[in-house]
Amino acid sequence: GESVGLHLPTLSVQEGDNSIINCAYSNSASDYFIWYKQESGKGPQFIIDIRSNMDKRQGQRVTVLLNKTVKHLSLQIAATQPGDSAVYFCADTTDSWGKLQFGAGTQVVVTP
Amino acid sequence: NAGVTQTPKFQVLKTGQSMTLQCAQDMNHNSMYWYRQDPGMGLRLIYYSASEGTTDKGEVPNGYNVSRLNKREFSLRLESAAPSQTSVYFCASSAADGAYEQYFGPGTRLTVT
Repeated sequence: GESVGLHLPTLSVQEGDNSIINCAYSNSASDYFIWYKQESGKGPQFIIDIRSNMDKRQGQRVTVLLNKTVKHLSLQIAATQPGDSAVYFCADTTDSWGKLQFGAGTQVVVTP
Repeated sequence: NAGVTQTPKFQVLKTGQSMTLQCAQDMNHNSMYWYRQDPGMGLRLIYYSASEGTTDKGEVPNGYNVSRLNKREFSLRLESAAPSQTSVYFCASSAADGAYEQYFGPGTRLTVT
């Protein structure tokens, strides 16, 4: 089936800089997108989500951008901190009750 | 609220042994899920339960069975473990009904030798 994929497996970011994590999806029928953060040895933790009728949504230090024309999703983290070091997953769904399809993940490494 | 809890946290099995992974949620969620995560990979759906009393296969169901015991509990059983089932298993739940955010448990790290 179609799935969500990521452009880069590893992203190295200097502390204080902004991070941008990209995600491409292939299913034009996807109507909901979500970002998760997974720290080493833990389960994924919800960061932010966006529905297909929006193109931008902001949270605390995070912004998700959705470009449906090119089927691209990005997560922006402002003023990246050491605690942001983790693997970040995007996921999407077309199901009416939300069965998610996950991408492979991007490892974000924050350097001092 | 404890959220989603999983037991055990770690398990080592020999090939051919059986075991059941337990999952419970206290958020009154309708839907529950079992995923496996292999090194360097994303989450793959094994089975899910859209509501109490229903279960359906996900992407990688072979070698597994599930039981939705009640609204709170969703167990995953390996009848005859194989080395290919060495993985980290995550349980998740969601309210569904338009609320798609899934909440994950801490995972069970399973090694099959």
